[in-house]
Amino acid sequence: DAKTTQPTSMDCAEGRAANLPCNHSTISGNEYVYWYRQIHSQGPQYIIHGLKNNETNEMASLIITEDRKSSTLILPHATLRDTAVYYCIVPLGNTGGFKTIFGAGTRLFVKA
Amino acid sequence: SAVISQKPSRDICQRGTSLTIQCQVDSQVTMMFWYRQQPGQSLTLIATANQGSEATYESGFVIDKFPISRPNLTFSTLTVSNMSPEDSSIYLCSVSRQGPDDEQYFGPGTRLTVT
Repeated sequence: DAKTTQPTSMDCAEGRAANLPCNHSTISGNEYVYWYRQIHSQGPQYIIHGLKNNETNEMASLIITEDRKSSTLILPHATLRDTAVYYCIVPLGNTGGFKTIFGAGTRLFVKA
Repeated sequence: SAVISQKPSRDICQRGTSLTIQCQVDSQVTMMFWYRQQPGQSLTLIATANQGSEATYESGFVIDKFPISRPNLTFSTLTVSNMSPEDSSIYLCSVSRQGPDDEQYFGPGTRLTVT
């Protein structure tokens, strides 16, 4: 089962890019990398996911290394509202589908 | 995407009683999950709610303590039985479709305090 490691916390200045790293060295060839975030007192929010290619949506960009052993979530222009815990997850196979197991995540502080 | 609602949003319960939490989704989904988030902690998966069959529980969680129902593809309940103060947590419902390329969506959570 692929597991992920993330830094415990990071700071970012408002308006600058926030780059959140994740290591998933045991990922297998058909496993996706997902990113979620949890803003205080809310349920987790899906951000983005990818398999091999870099991905971009209205929230963020996901850069996956060629060997797929690590990835970086990029928030291009961080705002104070992006302060949250960010989770990098490789879902595990489950009966009839896949399940998401949360680690400790990275606590991102965006500062004015 | 999917819109998920949970009832109640919060409750304060006495030790030894039980509480049933409801989760309603605005569309049919294959997978439904229940998580617990204790104060200051990350989310812990309790079980996968299977439609028409018994839920699949994670290690450390048992059906007698956390019975789950899933009568159809849009609704599930989680009961926290014989509560103690250690059960004080946020309980979250989550849904996804079946494939590895399908993201999960989370409800707003139910904040439970046991006194």
